[in-house]
Amino acid sequence: EIVLTQSPGTLSLSPGERATLSCRASHSVSSSYLAWYQQKPGQPPRLLIYGASSRATGIPDRFSGSGSGTDFTLTISRLEPEDFAVYYCQQYGSSITFGQGTRLEIK
Amino acid sequence: QVTLRESGPALVKPTQTLTLTCTFSGFSLRTSGMCVNWIRQPPGKALEWLALIDWDDDKYYSTSLKTRLTISKDTSKSQVVLTMTNMDPVDTATYYCARHTVRDAFDIWGQGTMVTVSS
Repeated sequence: EIVLTQSPGTLSLSPGERATLSCRASHSVSSSYLAWYQQKPGQPPRLLIYGASSRATGIPDRFSGSGSGTDFTLTISRLEPEDFAVYYCQQYGSSITFGQGTRLEIK
Repeated sequence: QVTLRESGPALVKPTQTLTLTCTFSGFSLRTSGMCVNWIRQPPGKALEWLALIDWDDDKYYSTSLKTRLTISKDTSKSQVVLTMTNMDPVDTATYYCARHTVRDAFDIWGQGTMVTVSS
């Protein structure tokens, strides 16, 4: 099973700043089958990024994904107030697993 | 419009079997490549993938929960059913169903249903 480790656990930033979230896999993720989700309290997760770097429908271009193999990154270029949430990475290349999440909070 | 909705008991007793139903619309599980998943999330904790069933009736389970889970589908009713045996308080969680196509991410999720395991 591929284990995904996200860092940091909590990220404290201000609106307008740049956020960089990391997801590291215990084994290489085949064909970059890596996704990122955003979850707000009381809501289901929302797909942001799939295939490591492709934005899902309707996702603003301030969200970008990069990486391959075992190291992946979600970048939010300029934080908006609605971006403060929990973010999960997921791999779907070898079975399916999720990371433990990064909480992005307002500083 | 694609939607999924989970339903099932809000409260189950320890050792009982949980049965959850995912009723979907806007797509068909007869379509090649289509899959429906179950995922859970204990309060304040991370997402955990449980199982999936695909258009060809192939089934895949979480390694750690495999012995307790059964997933099935009723294509005519547009439903996917998950059963989990021998429920324990640690199984208290919100249970979600979500759609994906083969080698793609989970693009549409249900709102989730909260299940509490308590005597």
